[in-house]
Amino acid sequence: QQQVKQSPQSLIVQKGGISIINCAYENTAFDYFPWYQQFPGKGPALLIAIRPDVSEKKEGRFTISFNKSAKQFSLHIMDSQPGDSATYFCAAPSRAGSYQLTFGKGTKLSVIP
Amino acid sequence: EAQVTQNPRYLITVTGKKLTVTCSQNMNHEYMSWYRQDPGLGLRQIYYSMNVEVTDKGDVPEGYKVSRKEKRNFPLILESPSPNQTSLYFCASSFPGTPSYFGPGTRLTVL
Repeated sequence: QQQVKQSPQSLIVQKGGISIINCAYENTAFDYFPWYQQFPGKGPALLIAIRPDVSEKKEGRFTISFNKSAKQFSLHIMDSQPGDSATYFCAAPSRAGSYQLTFGKGTKLSVIP
Repeated sequence: EAQVTQNPRYLITVTGKKLTVTCSQNMNHEYMSWYRQDPGLGLRQIYYSMNVEVTDKGDVPEGYKVSRKEKRNFPLILESPSPNQTSLYFCASSFPGTPSYFGPGTRLTVL
């Protein structure tokens, strides 16, 4: 069974700063590693995802870095804005070839002006 | 508009009264799943379905049932709800091997 450890639990960043959230998984996995963003009262929304054959993927201010040998991946939010304040979840496939996802416990990000 | 819809969005019920939470997607996705979200525990999968008539247990299936008679619908059934099933529930769908799209959530309170 896949285990995903996400850190930190909460994060406070000043506007314009860089937010970094880390995830580590235990079992070898394939397909993709997504990050979800969730605002209060809303469902998680896919933010960005990376396939394990790529070490980095960038979309606007959001970047995923993937280290397959260390079984770690991280989300970087550049030039963080108050509108980025939300809870972020990483996820990893529960087992090879599985469509199931195992989620981290989430990071609550607060971006202060 | 591509979306996953859930109904009802809010529900307060009493212990033992059977209820169904509906989920529907309009993206022709094969894969659908149900999660519950609890403070400090994150998102935990209850059941999933690979396609019509194909369902399987997730990590926390006790006390829940599902069915998949049509591709677009995946209802979650609580035959005899208990207070420990008070939670925020999300339905999700996707094509195989791609990230899931989540519904808006159903907040369930069991008294």
